[in-house]
Amino acid sequence: DAGVIQSPRHEVTEMGQEVTLRCKPISGHNSLFWYRQTMMRGLELLIYFNNNVPIDDSGMPEDRFSAKMPNASFSTLKIQPSEPRDSAVYFCASSFLQGTGDTEAFFGQGTRLTVV
Amino acid sequence: GQQVMQIPQYQHVQEGEDFTTYCNSSTTLSNIQWYKQRPGGHPVFLIQLVKSGEVKKQKRLTFQFGEAKKNSSLHITATQTTDVGTYFCAGSRNQFYFGTGTSLTVIP
Repeated sequence: DAGVIQSPRHEVTEMGQEVTLRCKPISGHNSLFWYRQTMMRGLELLIYFNNNVPIDDSGMPEDRFSAKMPNASFSTLKIQPSEPRDSAVYFCASSFLQGTGDTEAFFGQGTRLTVV
Repeated sequence: GQQVMQIPQYQHVQEGEDFTTYCNSSTTLSNIQWYKQRPGGHPVFLIQLVKSGEVKKQKRLTFQFGEAKKNSSLHITATQTTDVGTYFCAGSRNQFYFGTGTSLTVIP
């Protein structure tokens, strides 16, 4: 397996534009996580899905952020409209969780977003 | 909600010195995992501890899980420049509760 695949790797956009980040989890994993990482706030969980269903989106900053998982092999994180403070590295991770917590999280390479 | 704190936030050491990062949870954990993120990279799984008081070693790295399963530590003996990065602990159950991370700088 190629691991968790994220695209794009880098994105530079102007304030106000829509940004869509994409993630392909590892096949067979039932859980998918979106994280945002900044120097100031560290690694923050934005949202996670279990079996394609959003379970906890309390980390989503505001209505400008939305995430979808239409099927087990694809997820998107959308920011509309984008703002400079959204600049960060966005990670997608997947895992196979059964409630016993005995598997690890596999992270993608991340998308470095810069909003100017 | 569950909170996992790590100290210190930053640590600078001379190459060859030892390094320790501590992880504390507000609630009892069923397990603890440790991840390493190299500069510019993504977090990569290192190890998982499950049992109360468990100690595991990976070469120069020693991982401990507290008796109460609410804290953990990672100790690196004789640091090398390849140890540079941010070390995260994480508890897991239905999701991963990542700690705040400790950024390690090793001065040659």
